[in-house]
Amino acid sequence: QQQVKQSPQSLIVQKGGISIINCAYENTAFDYFPWYQQFPGKGPALLIAIRPDVSEKKEGRFTISFNKSAKQFSLHIMDSQPGDSATYFCAPARSNYKLTFGKGTLLTVNP
Amino acid sequence: GAGVSQSPSNKVTEKGKDVELRCDPISGHTALYWYRQSLGQGLEFLIYFQGNSAPDKSGLPSDRFSAERTGGSVSTLTIQRTQQEDSAVYLCASSLDRGQPQHFGDGTRLSIL
Repeated sequence: QQQVKQSPQSLIVQKGGISIINCAYENTAFDYFPWYQQFPGKGPALLIAIRPDVSEKKEGRFTISFNKSAKQFSLHIMDSQPGDSATYFCAPARSNYKLTFGKGTLLTVNP
Repeated sequence: GAGVSQSPSNKVTEKGKDVELRCDPISGHTALYWYRQSLGQGLEFLIYFQGNSAPDKSGLPSDRFSAERTGGSVSTLTIQRTQQEDSAVYLCASSLDRGQPQHFGDGTRLSIL
């Protein structure tokens, strides 16, 4: 059983556009919902995370939207830049422990 | 300050050999995690250490895999009698404490011939 389903697998966006990546989960015990960014040859880096007591969190150009009833959360990247081109992973967990990674979304931002 | 350091960055070995992968966590971080990233399985949890508590080994795929953390700092992941399906990037992460953000190293790319 796949606990975490991430979509789309790949995404191409023009510079200045909005990138949206979605994550659906099964485990209702999850209480920590992060997004990680990974560049080739590097480890994942925490981008932004949310707890279930809020529905939205914004940090600069990055926003997480959380829908507890639908068991979904999404990452929005505003004013996407070529430097944002990377692979993005959702990785929900219980108490930020044993992250359960999605399969990843390869984002390409064209100049 | 320095981030999580892993060595070697690349390791090529023959099937059946044993390998040791090393992780130096961020100084002062009490929690340490190992994950594996492969094309087929994606990123998956292997093992978790927290202070002096017994480690959570629930993600280790077989008894050929083991890990230890000496002195609450450096950790070593050992794979015995390597198989081709062990080829992957092995990632280490540390956090200040359980429940705090996890910081990843750049991994060890393991290739089994």
